Amino acid sequence: AQTVTQSQPEMSVQEAETVTLSCTYDTSENNYYLFWYKQPPSRQMILVIRQEAYKQQNATENRFSVNFQKAAKSFSLKISDSQLGDTAMYFCAFMNRGRGSNYKLTFGKGTLLTVNP
Amino acid sequence: DAMVIQNPRYQVTQFGKPVTLSCSQTLNHNVMYWYQQKSSQAPKLLFHYYDKDFNNEADTPDNFQSRRPNTSFCFLDIRSPGLGDAAMYLCATSREGAGTAPDEQFFGPGTRLTVL
Repeated sequence: AQTVTQSQPEMSVQEAETVTLSCTYDTSENNYYLFWYKQPPSRQMILVIRQEAYKQQNATENRFSVNFQKAAKSFSLKISDSQLGDTAMYFCAFMNRGRGSNYKLTFGKGTLLTVNP
Repeated sequence: DAMVIQNPRYQVTQFGKPVTLSCSQTLNHNVMYWYQQKSSQAPKLLFHYYDKDFNNEADTPDNFQSRRPNTSFCFLDIRSPGLGDAAMYLCATSREGAGTAPDEQFFGPGTRLTVL
């Protein structure tokens, strides 16, 4: 079974600064995808960024980028130029795409990020 | 706008009284998911429908059932809610195909269930 660990329950950052959220995972699979989802207060969860395990290049989406270290099974999220609207719970998630794949997302427990003015 | 809609947003039920939560989508996605999210915990997949095929997670209690009468609607039935079933229930959808990269899952706003 896969597990996803987010070791930082809460983090805070000043507006316009950069913050990195950590995520590690454990799997014996070789074909998988990793995701970061954002859940703002009282609003629905949305996808921030995704990474295919077979790609060595780190994914980027505007101010959001990842540092994917496959050997270390690490998948951190960097948010540059933090904005007040970035305040949310951030979940790291894993999806197996090998044999027996069933489109299941396994989530970490989340990191509550607060962006301060 | 295309979206995932969950009704009601808040549901209160009594211990042991059956309750049904509703999810609808206008995205025409073929896969629909139900997640349980307890306070300060990660969302946990209960089951999902791939088209009409029902896929139950091994550790989902028998107390939880689901129906998908058509592409757009999916229901979560809790036959005899216990205090431990109080949680946020999230519905999600995606468009998937065999051999393709997984699609983004689109989430609804959730239904917060309280059991008295």
